Amino acid sequence: DAKTTQPNSMESNEEEPVHLPCNHSTISGTDYIHWYRQLPSQGPEYVIHGLTSNVNNRMASLAIAEDRKSSTLILHRATLRDAAVYYCILRDSADRGSTLGRLYFGRGTQLTVWP
Amino acid sequence: NAGVMQNPRHLVRRRGQEARLRCSPMKGHSHVYWYRQLPEEGLKFMVYLQKENIIDESGMPKERFSAEFPKEGPSILRIQQVVRGDSAAYFCASSPQWTGELFFGEGSRLTVL
Repeated sequence: DAKTTQPNSMESNEEEPVHLPCNHSTISGTDYIHWYRQLPSQGPEYVIHGLTSNVNNRMASLAIAEDRKSSTLILHRATLRDAAVYYCILRDSADRGSTLGRLYFGRGTQLTVWP
Repeated sequence: NAGVMQNPRHLVRRRGQEARLRCSPMKGHSHVYWYRQLPEEGLKFMVYLQKENIIDESGMPKERFSAEFPKEGPSILRIQQVVRGDSAAYFCASSPQWTGELFFGEGSRLTVL
């Protein structure tokens, strides 16, 4: 099940960019790359997802390597509120039936943001 | 537009008692998922339900755990004869028909004394 590899922890200063890496060397052609984050004492929160092209939204950017074996979640200006555990998850786009919603969260990366 | 609502947020039970956790999905969402997070661990999938149907219960322990999502009312995760190892945070998520995004509630934290 553990198809992604992330560093256990990373640190950043407030208002600096943060690049959170994720390796997924066994990714298949139909796997989407999803990122969720979990703030302390809260449920996970969707951040972004993509397939092949880089993606941007109001929360973050997702840069996907050309061979898709790795990706990077980019927070352009970290704030204290971004301190959380970030999970990189592969989700098969072919899932339409019983496996829908069965996400493997792993340990994620604990991001610490210093003021 | 209310998000996924879970209650109770905190629940304390003694060994052998029953725990009932409730989840109301977001408006318009017909898919509900339950996850469990043990202390210092990642979330683990338990069960996926649609209205009146269990679609995937591959993550549910074989005994003492059950889940339902009736035609009317919230989804219920029921744990009978709780043991200390059941102490965890239980998260519910919902989604509309297949989508890339799950919406999670804030969780119910069960403590078994």
